[in-house]
Amino acid sequence: KAGVTQTPRYLIKTRGQQVTLSCSPISGHRSVSWYQQTPGQGLQFLFEYFSETQRNKGNFPGRFSGRQFSNSRSEMNVSTLELGDSALYLCASSLSGTGSGNTIYFGEGSWLTVV
Amino acid sequence: KNQVEQSPQSLIILEGKNCTLQCNYTVSPFSNLRWYKQDTGRGPVSLTIMTFSENTKSNGRYTATLDADTKQSSLHITASQLSDSASYICVVLLTSGTYKYIFGTGTRLKVLA
Repeated sequence: KAGVTQTPRYLIKTRGQQVTLSCSPISGHRSVSWYQQTPGQGLQFLFEYFSETQRNKGNFPGRFSGRQFSNSRSEMNVSTLELGDSALYLCASSLSGTGSGNTIYFGEGSWLTVV
Repeated sequence: KNQVEQSPQSLIILEGKNCTLQCNYTVSPFSNLRWYKQDTGRGPVSLTIMTFSENTKSNGRYTATLDADTKQSSLHITASQLSDSASYICVVLLTSGTYKYIFGTGTRLKVLA
């Protein structure tokens, strides 16, 4: 079956702009989580959605937001981009979510460069 | 503070050799510990998952061990191959209040011919 699909794979934005990233989970998976990965900080948890509800949130400013649709697809949005937002943004899906112990499957990520 | 520390930060070995990566954590309470392999520019791929009651789990040439008393885990790679060159990330699931994954910063492994 198809894996987790993220679009776009690469994008360049200017400081102050906003960006929307998309994630399609594995069919049947109801949980989608988002992560930011930078060379210095490693993987950091942004938020998790389950059945269109945000179930968990990491320590990121309000400029980072997300949502999940009824078909489990998810989007994350970053407003007022800063240079420090340049990173690989990873989406992951699982059957029942973080607390269930299900394996989480990652997408290939969206590379965001802010100039 | 809940943390996951991995060592070494980077490692270079020759093809065919074995190696062991370490993961020490202070996460408590925790539900499970996972090892992921991440190729450069790609998303992480799950290698093993162990609950706190499990001591070892294998996946082909990858064997993970867990000592919940000392809060240490290791990932042993046997007969390394060039394709093992990647970052290996240890992840612990914190189960205090809301569930949360705590990620290590990874060990970057380079296998040379």
